[in-house]
Amino acid sequence: DGGITQSPKYLFRKEGQNVTLSCEQNLNHDAMYWYRQDPGQGLRLIYYSQIVNDFQKGDIAEGYSVSREKKESFPLTVTSAQKNPTAFYLCASSWDTSPNYGYTFGSGTRLTVV
Amino acid sequence: ILNVEQSPQSLHVQEGDSTNFTCSFPSSNFYALHWYRWETAKSPEALFVMTLNGDEKKKGRISATLNTKEGYSYLYIKGSQPEDSATYLCAFPYDKVIFGPGTSLSVIP
Repeated sequence: DGGITQSPKYLFRKEGQNVTLSCEQNLNHDAMYWYRQDPGQGLRLIYYSQIVNDFQKGDIAEGYSVSREKKESFPLTVTSAQKNPTAFYLCASSWDTSPNYGYTFGSGTRLTVV
Repeated sequence: ILNVEQSPQSLHVQEGDSTNFTCSFPSSNFYALHWYRWETAKSPEALFVMTLNGDEKKKGRISATLNTKEGYSYLYIKGSQPEDSATYLCAFPYDKVIFGPGTSLSVIP
């Protein structure tokens, strides 16, 4: 079955460390996205990518970095510059960034700074 | 700053009751409106992508309507079941997709 796989499900990070969250899709979708959810808030866009080797900042990109070397993969690195990284992170994909296509989501990674 | 609002924030209904909730979005520059269902410990799942004013979509007991002129969409659930318990998100594609904060539905058996 096609879908999006995020790993790990839970991740603990020490202060000052960089961590990378994995997102892989086998849906042949061109567009991929990273969202962050904080308690009581809606999903906020971190980064998105329309095609391989191209990505754009979302609303809250500071302290994060991404790469899109393969169509299937869109890893998110949470750097030490991100002051409040504890959150739930969701990866999504769609055929392209046209508004007529809905998203397919992964199951998320919960990141906690310890 | 564009805002997408959903109401109510949460609601509790008895099994068998029908219910509805609202998504409000900017009525200018409309492209589409998405609805998602997000069950606890699962991935959000796309329910509907609505593009035309007056659109009505249906999936089983769930249906949605769209009014682009006044900037709102209603999601209806007929005869709620415990498995309908979830957070329902609407999303408004503009420059980027803007998600509403969601409506959390609990269906009490």
